[in-house]
Amino acid sequence: EAGVTQFPSHSVIEKGQTVTLRCDPISGHDNLYWYRRVMGKEIKFLLHFVKESKQDESGMPNNRFLAERTGGTYSTLKVQPAELEDSGVYFCASTRTGEKLFFGSGTQLSVL
Amino acid sequence: AQSVSQHNHHVILSEAASLELGCNYSYGGTVNLFWYVQYPGQHLQLLLKYFSGDPLVKGIKGFEAEFIKSKFSFNLRKPSVQWSDTAEYFCAVMPYYKLSFGAGTTVTVRA
Repeated sequence: EAGVTQFPSHSVIEKGQTVTLRCDPISGHDNLYWYRRVMGKEIKFLLHFVKESKQDESGMPNNRFLAERTGGTYSTLKVQPAELEDSGVYFCASTRTGEKLFFGSGTQLSVL
Repeated sequence: AQSVSQHNHHVILSEAASLELGCNYSYGGTVNLFWYVQYPGQHLQLLLKYFSGDPLVKGIKGFEAEFIKSKFSFNLRKPSVQWSDTAEYFCAVMPYYKLSFGAGTTVTVRA
């Protein structure tokens, strides 16, 4: 079974630019999550999809962040325009039942 | 505010030493509890989980954790660590469908 795939693994952009992160969950997993870890701090919840619907987006920092999940399959997280404080590792996870989350390797985002 | 607190930021041990990492949470009601591990260069992996039943749970690679409800704690233990246990360890709590993590503890095992 393929795992959760995230792309790109690293992204370096300048302040003000736009970046789009992608997550492909495990096939059949209706629940998809985005998390972020800023250097040295805890992994923080951003949002939760159930199929194509946003179940909980209480962790989204502000309206520069937009997440979508087309057709309930892969998801994208767009940051526009990016700011310095957006730097960190963005993790995606998926689960069928909620009992065990499977995490991707993360996208390391550096905003210069 | 609801939170997960890990007691140590960085732990350094020698091989064969015993390891205990503390975790306390402040959620009321029923929660599911987890320990995740991230080895260098790898993704987060589940070490063990507690949902109900026996409060002493065993996970992979010789790890175990004990849930003490009265103390809101879920401490992770391993009797004898190996160099390959060098990693970052995260305690996490899931009240519903939202996993909340502690800040993580970096464990360095010296050969």
